[in-house]
Amino acid sequence: EPEVTQTPSHQVTQMGQEVILRCVPISNHLYFYWYRQILGQKVEFLVSFYNNEISEKSEIFDDQFSVERPDGSNFTLKIRSTKLEDSAMYFCASSETGFNEKLFFGSGTQLSVL
Amino acid sequence: KNEVEQSPQNLTAQEGEFITINCSYSVGISALHWLQQHPGGGIVSLFMLSSGKKKHGRLIATINIQEKHSSLHITASHPRDSAVYICAVREAGGSQGNLIFGKGTKLSVKP
Repeated sequence: EPEVTQTPSHQVTQMGQEVILRCVPISNHLYFYWYRQILGQKVEFLVSFYNNEISEKSEIFDDQFSVERPDGSNFTLKIRSTKLEDSAMYFCASSETGFNEKLFFGSGTQLSVL
Repeated sequence: KNEVEQSPQNLTAQEGEFITINCSYSVGISALHWLQQHPGGGIVSLFMLSSGKKKHGRLIATINIQEKHSSLHITASHPRDSAVYICAVREAGGSQGNLIFGKGTKLSVKP
């Protein structure tokens, strides 16, 4: 079965550094999403992306965050000037259409900010 | 904003038992998802429901739109079903990926 792939699985960074989390969505999917889960807390929606632009974002997704689809296969989440509270598991997901359907999630990137 | 509540928070069962996990929400939705989060953290989508009932293998998901309630049932539970089960809703008018998640139900099935 096709999979959403995320790299790296673990990322450790120093506070104030920039990180880029990478995702390869399923090849025929057109809608892409990022979520985060702080340890012990609920999963939270960050952003949805379609047709090379953000279609919706949450209050969490402020100017510190950006997303990009730099080529036909990758979908990235950039976090500038990381803070301790950015430590979380970040999940990428994709779907074929924007209508009611199941989402396909990657296995996540555990980001630790020291 | 929607509040998504799941019960129970933790559930321990013996292998073979019938399991029910409940999800309630406060505001009208256009879809409800049931997700499974493995001990390693990865998330798998089990069902997307907008009405009625869906079945896949030993898993059954139902939703009652009027009562704002959904249930996930597992028949003949097995230790490999041990995971966190998460309910997530898409509010009416919201985009597909903009989901509000419950805290999850941690299921442990003992052999």
